[in-house]
Amino acid sequence: EVQLLESGGGLVQPGGSLRLSCAASGFTFRNYAMSWVRQAPGKGLEWVSTISGSGGGTFYVDSVKGRFTISRDNAKNTLNLQMNSLRAEDTAVYYCAKGKGQQSVFDYWGQGTRVTVSS
Amino acid sequence: DIQMTQSPSTLSASVGDRVTITCRASQSVNNWLAWYQQKPGKAPRLLIYKASSLESGVPSRFSGSGSGTEFTLTISSLQPDDFATYYCQQYNDYPWTFGQGTKVEIK
Repeated sequence: EVQLLESGGGLVQPGGSLRLSCAASGFTFRNYAMSWVRQAPGKGLEWVSTISGSGGGTFYVDSVKGRFTISRDNAKNTLNLQMNSLRAEDTAVYYCAKGKGQQSVFDYWGQGTRVTVSS
Repeated sequence: DIQMTQSPSTLSASVGDRVTITCRASQSVNNWLAWYQQKPGKAPRLLIYKASSLESGVPSRFSGSGSGTEFTLTISSLQPDDFATYYCQQYNDYPWTFGQGTKVEIK
């Protein structure tokens, strides 16, 4: 059974940093791209970042480029998102999501971790 | 960026109704279009990918169609478990973008 378990969310001041992690199990982690998708309170879904299975390819939405870094540890089956220079508009539930093979869609999702950026 | 626009934003329907949600892209996404269902407080669930391919385990009352810039999600006979918010997503081009969502409510 595929499981994705996020951690690391919390309350942080504007300009601060936070590191999210996602522990994956139930599939061959290194074979799949992984992504972060966020949802601001009462709003829709926003794709944030994707990393290829090998970790050699990374992609970001413009609003987080230069501030967020996605990474993965295929030995530990873990996905990470380092978030720096956080802004109020980064407040959201952050979901870890597994890519569906050759299709760049998300077939499994974690339960989400809440990030609140506020003074 | 490719803008995805869903209509309607809210839909009131009864159990047994046939429901159709439309998603329009600001430019062609070929058939690289997915649909998700989300219930309050829960993660989204993949329903349809590549415009019309049904994800494993998803009931056959869900279907998707379209290509290019116009797509539809159809629920052939609405069930109590289907009251939720539905999102389309294009994955033709980065940044991948979602529609704003369509909330299906009980009439």
